[in-house]
Amino acid sequence: DAKTTQPPSMDCAEGRAANLPCNHSTISGNEYVYWYRQIHSQGPQYIIHGLKNNETNEMASLIITEDRKSSTLILPHATLRDTAVYYCIFPGGYQKVTFGIGTKLQVIP
Amino acid sequence: DSGVTQTPKHLITATGQRVTLRCSPRSGDLSVYWYQQSLDQGLQFLIQYYNGEERAKGNILERFSAQQFPDLHSELNLSSLELGDSALYFCASSVGNSGSSGANVLTFGAGSRLTVL
Repeated sequence: DAKTTQPPSMDCAEGRAANLPCNHSTISGNEYVYWYRQIHSQGPQYIIHGLKNNETNEMASLIITEDRKSSTLILPHATLRDTAVYYCIFPGGYQKVTFGIGTKLQVIP
Repeated sequence: DSGVTQTPKHLITATGQRVTLRCSPRSGDLSVYWYQQSLDQGLQFLIQYYNGEERAKGNILERFSAQQFPDLHSELNLSSLELGDSALYFCASSVGNSGSSGANVLTFGAGSRLTVL
């Protein structure tokens, strides 16, 4: 299995940036890092992915270290609706890849 | 609406019974993945199909089986149900087969909640 390490939980004040870290030290050179989130018991939702360069879309930014062993998902202005479990994975084919328990982000009013 | 349709949304059944969960992938997607999520647990990969063929198998029990049909919809069959099989079952679909590609994003359905009494 492709393993990632994330803190089990984080708090963030509403309106502030939420920075969610992920370690993926065993990632290989051609494997992308993907971030998903799951709000309550809904189906997980794709957020962003990247290979080497930093990426940004309408939902978030992804910062990948130069050695690619870790990355940080940034939600620039967290809202209460961003309260969710955030998963970092590098599927390498999605075979036998579990999403783990992710980081439970609680946005506080 | 993600474009991935799962039915039924909720299912309550008894131990020893058999159920079938159905998934219609997003239009144009060839891969279908099944995941199990027990209470407060992560998503556990069960099985993947690509264009009708099984491509990867996770920790899927022998009591469980799946298939993908020519129209690309998939069914997950759970038999001899036990209390511990109570969980959310998610289906996801993607265009391709490999997550190494930067374009192979998974789109998840809303899930089927199975309760075994």
